[in-house]
Amino acid sequence: DQQVKQNSPSLSVQEGRISILNCDYTNSMFDYFLWYKKYPAEGPTFLISISSIKDKNEDGRFTVFLNKSAKHLSLHIVPSQPGDSAVYFCAATGGADGLTFGKGTHLIIQP
Amino acid sequence: NAGVTQTPKFRILKIGQSMTLQCTQDMNHNYMYWYRQDPGMGLKLIYYSVGAGITDKGEVPNGYNVSRSTTEDFPLRLELAAPSQTSVYFCASRPGQLNTGELFFGEGSRLTVL
Repeated sequence: DQQVKQNSPSLSVQEGRISILNCDYTNSMFDYFLWYKKYPAEGPTFLISISSIKDKNEDGRFTVFLNKSAKHLSLHIVPSQPGDSAVYFCAATGGADGLTFGKGTHLIIQP
Repeated sequence: NAGVTQTPKFRILKIGQSMTLQCTQDMNHNYMYWYRQDPGMGLKLIYYSVGAGITDKGEVPNGYNVSRSTTEDFPLRLELAAPSQTSVYFCASRPGQLNTGELFFGEGSRLTVL
């Protein structure tokens, strides 16, 4: 039973446009929601997070939106750049035992 | 700063062999984790530790063992390797009591069992 779902395995966006990555969750006890970025042959790196008590967090080109009533969060990247091409994992946490990850979305930025 | 270091980066095992994946961190983090990532899947938690001498099972612990004798090291032991253990293994750590979810990951260890 997947508690964190990313329903789009891949997404292609033109350079300079907005990339929107989506994530749904089922566990209302999650405290924090995070996005991780992963390049091939590297470990995931933390990108941005949001507390369950907030609905928006912004960091430069990256903004995460949380809709608790819909159990949905999204990551907006604007403008998209070639270096943004990577796999993005949505994750959530509610205790000491690490993170629950989605399956990831492969973002491809087209020149 | 080295951060989280995993060795080896690549390994091929035969069915039934055993091995240990090493993980060490130099950030004095109390919490350490082992995840595995199968193709097209998210990361799944194998084991975790909240401090030296304390370990606990995650979502997929069968076929693995861990120990945490020091703050720095968190080795993952595979006993009697099986093809189902072919995966990429990631070690991660985080500081502090408050779990905001921000983990620091190693580069991964790719294991193939034939």
